Amino acid sequence: NAGVTQTPKFRILKIGQSMTLQCAQDMNHNYMYWYRQDPGMGLKLIYYSVGAGITDKGEVPNGYNVSRSTTEDFPLRLELAAPSQTSVYFCASLGGRNTEAFFGQGTRLTVV
Amino acid sequence: GDSVTQMEGPVTLSEEAFLTINCTYTATGYPSLFWYVQYPGEGLQLLLKATKADDKGSNKGFEATYRKETTSFHLEKGSVQVSDSAVYFCALKGSNDYKLSFGAGTTVTVRA
Repeated sequence: NAGVTQTPKFRILKIGQSMTLQCAQDMNHNYMYWYRQDPGMGLKLIYYSVGAGITDKGEVPNGYNVSRSTTEDFPLRLELAAPSQTSVYFCASLGGRNTEAFFGQGTRLTVV
Repeated sequence: GDSVTQMEGPVTLSEEAFLTINCTYTATGYPSLFWYVQYPGEGLQLLLKATKADDKGSNKGFEATYRKETTSFHLEKGSVQVSDSAVYFCALKGSNDYKLSFGAGTTVTVRA
């Protein structure tokens, strides 16, 4: 049971660089989410998707982009990385209305 | 929009002490409520959930009751162990959409 898989686990970026955080789930879940976790700030929703081809902004979408071409994959793209994007990023998926979300192990990103 | 307010930490307890973490929410309709736990260096995992008013979720000695009248979902455990040291998050899933909103998290440290 792989569940939700995130790659990479760690990454250091220079200011202005771009990268894609990968997220894949093998549970055939329709709903997927990207969060960032800053110390003492809880989880902030960046983007979410209710199915392939459908995405929507969360609380803090600026500086990020997503796509959902398949049910399994939900990559998060950072363009022109900034120090404010230093954080731990979590991907999650959800099967349905009365079910819980499953989380990946997280990606720790540092922008210097 | 929907939101969750959670008791701030950190909380430090001795083994076998009683633990309570307060959580209140703001939402329209009848959201689903969750408690997630995050152990050091790991992703979030579900601790317990309740999907309708007066439901009680329970797991690993933890309990929480969905109180519609006070819009609360407080987490309790009667006798904590060192292994309960973690960050605990209260979360809400809206009844009208599939956004997941999280509280700021409460760090709990249990000393032997």
